[in-house]
Amino acid sequence: AQSVTQPDIHITVSEGASLELRCNYSYGATPYLFWYVQSPGQGLQLLLKYFSGDTLVQGIKGFEAEFKRSQSSFNLRKPSVHWSDAAEYFCAVGGGGFKTIFGAGTRLFVKA
Amino acid sequence: EAGVVQSPRYKIIEKKQPVAFWCNPISGHNTLYWYLQNLGQGPELLIRYENEEAVDDSQLPKDRFSAERLKGVDSTLKIQPAELGDSAVYLCASSSGTSGGTPDTQYFGPGTRLTVL
Repeated sequence: AQSVTQPDIHITVSEGASLELRCNYSYGATPYLFWYVQSPGQGLQLLLKYFSGDTLVQGIKGFEAEFKRSQSSFNLRKPSVHWSDAAEYFCAVGGGGFKTIFGAGTRLFVKA
Repeated sequence: EAGVVQSPRYKIIEKKQPVAFWCNPISGHNTLYWYLQNLGQGPELLIRYENEEAVDDSQLPKDRFSAERLKGVDSTLKIQPAELGDSAVYLCASSSGTSGGTPDTQYFGPGTRLTVL
């Protein structure tokens, strides 16, 4: 069965520091992987997605993620965090048939 | 381009009352999704439509939940009667469909926050 684990419920980083949000997935075939961001009172916005090809994926707002099949991971990174990045981040895995499973999310706090 | 529109944004009702949520997807998007998001959790799919056909409603609690997308455009999700445990955010999303067998990007609306007292 598909599943997504985001081990960190919340993370606090200082503005300007680097960020890595962890995501581990379970899926029997080649997964489609996504990262979404949700600001308070807003819907989810797609940051980036991986379907195939280069395992390092670039997204919007300066985010990137790396697919590591051997570790079943798809961690999200950003070299320098801005205060506006404070939000909830969701990793998701999908496959054929459009069924997308979301993780429980990681809430990012940014210190000034 | 207008995004996914949902209304109302907030709804407070007493238990056992009915409630309905409305969603208008992005123009031209054939696929429409309703998700349930509990506090501190990720979205969980309730139902997916391809045009006016519900192609995946396996997670929809059919004893009290119903949905329709009569003309293949906007959609309504209804709960009757509502229970305390239904308090959550109900998200609508749409996508244009498949691209060579891979899922297209889902665009989410802001959601309806339901509180059942």
